[in-house]
Amino acid sequence: GENVEQHPSTLSVQEGDSAVIKCTYSDSASNYFPWYKQELGKGPQLIIDIRSNVGEKKDQRIAVTLNKTAKHFSLHITETQPEDSAVYFCAASKHNQGGKLIFGQGTELSVKP
Amino acid sequence: GAVVSQHPSWVICKSGTSVKIECRSLDFQATTMFWYRQFPKQSLMLMATSNEGSKATYEQGVEKDKFLINHASLTLSTLTVTSAHPEDSSFYICSASDPGGLADQPQHFGDGTRLSIL
Repeated sequence: GENVEQHPSTLSVQEGDSAVIKCTYSDSASNYFPWYKQELGKGPQLIIDIRSNVGEKKDQRIAVTLNKTAKHFSLHITETQPEDSAVYFCAASKHNQGGKLIFGQGTELSVKP
Repeated sequence: GAVVSQHPSWVICKSGTSVKIECRSLDFQATTMFWYRQFPKQSLMLMATSNEGSKATYEQGVEKDKFLINHASLTLSTLTVTSAHPEDSSFYICSASDPGGLADQPQHFGDGTRLSIL
């Protein structure tokens, strides 16, 4: 079955710097890749997603890139702010799995003021 | 839009009791809902997929008789932890998608239920 690996597990940056989180997936049939932000004690919040027919997507300070050949996708956060501090999860799903998401292990991002 | 409400947010109960957790989609119809369990500092572990009007599909290793799931309407799914024991203590999170079951439709998550069994 699908396996999603996420790195790094922790990431500390200075406010204003960029942060990059990377994920790799094993199943070439996966075609949907969302990113979630989870704050302490809350449920995950969808921040951006990308489908396999697109190589890059951007929403203000957040961007996601997808390399289908290499089977990896990355989250890029620019001009980081302290409120970006949270745990970020990548995930993957494919067409015949009923929408089931396979999650990465998570990255704890800390943005220091 | 796409708001999922989960209730209760926190529950403490004695060992042996049953606990029901509700998951509601407030502004959309959720043909498919998902139930996850999350341990501290860990990722989300899918427990089961719930489709409106049909039986839930459980992931390998999840006890069907222990974790009862009902999805009786397009806006409500419930998870009942039966005869709960301390090892069932965890953070339970639901999600919903519409239209359900398609790979490229976003899942929207509730804020979770922290269950503590004494």
